[in-house]
Amino acid sequence: RKEVEQDPGPFNVPEGATVAFNCTYSNSASQSFFWYRQDCRKEPKLLMSVYSSGNEDGRFTAQLNRASQYISLLIRDSKLSDSATYLCVVNGGSGYSTLTFGKGTMLLVSP
Amino acid sequence: EAGVTQFPSHSVIEKGQTVTLRCDPISGHDNLYWYRRVMGKEIKFLLHFVKESKQDESGMPNNRFLAERTGGTYSTLKVQPAELEDSGVYFCASSQDVGAGQEAFFGQGTRLTVV
Repeated sequence: RKEVEQDPGPFNVPEGATVAFNCTYSNSASQSFFWYRQDCRKEPKLLMSVYSSGNEDGRFTAQLNRASQYISLLIRDSKLSDSATYLCVVNGGSGYSTLTFGKGTMLLVSP
Repeated sequence: EAGVTQFPSHSVIEKGQTVTLRCDPISGHDNLYWYRRVMGKEIKFLLHFVKESKQDESGMPNNRFLAERTGGTYSTLKVQPAELEDSGVYFCASSQDVGAGQEAFFGQGTRLTVV
């Protein structure tokens, strides 16, 4: 089983749609969790951290289920500018201080 | 404030040649990481420096890769001799503290092509 698994997509959605991405991780000792966003040929950038209680930032909601080792990202009211690859990232997987990345889920938002 | 900068942005070299990638982290960030993305694969950890010391180099693929961070500021990653499978995008990242929730800032990457 891969350390961090994501559905690669692509997810094709119209503007205004709600879309959800899921991610599972294998190491139960993982410490912290993030969603990064990567635009084509650009570097990854932090979108949001994921907290145990769940957290929301505008149109984005992240959830963590430690028992199931599962993380989710919900995007409401999708915008064209949301088109990107969303990377599930886990800290404390292979090493305490290292970030372990999923392959990413591609989102394409169309007019 | 300047972000993480990497040089060069692109490099095309022949198999067997040597290439050196450079990373300048954000000023004051003790933690510096190297990652690599090979086409079609996920971003993979290579190694982690805390100041000038190698904290974790478990991701380094083999002894053709040498990373240094003399003086605890910028870092270099040398590939010698380069092989075709070394092609990919090499990202450098830095963070202030190691700990839960600590954000890592990435450079724009060096796209290495070995032909």
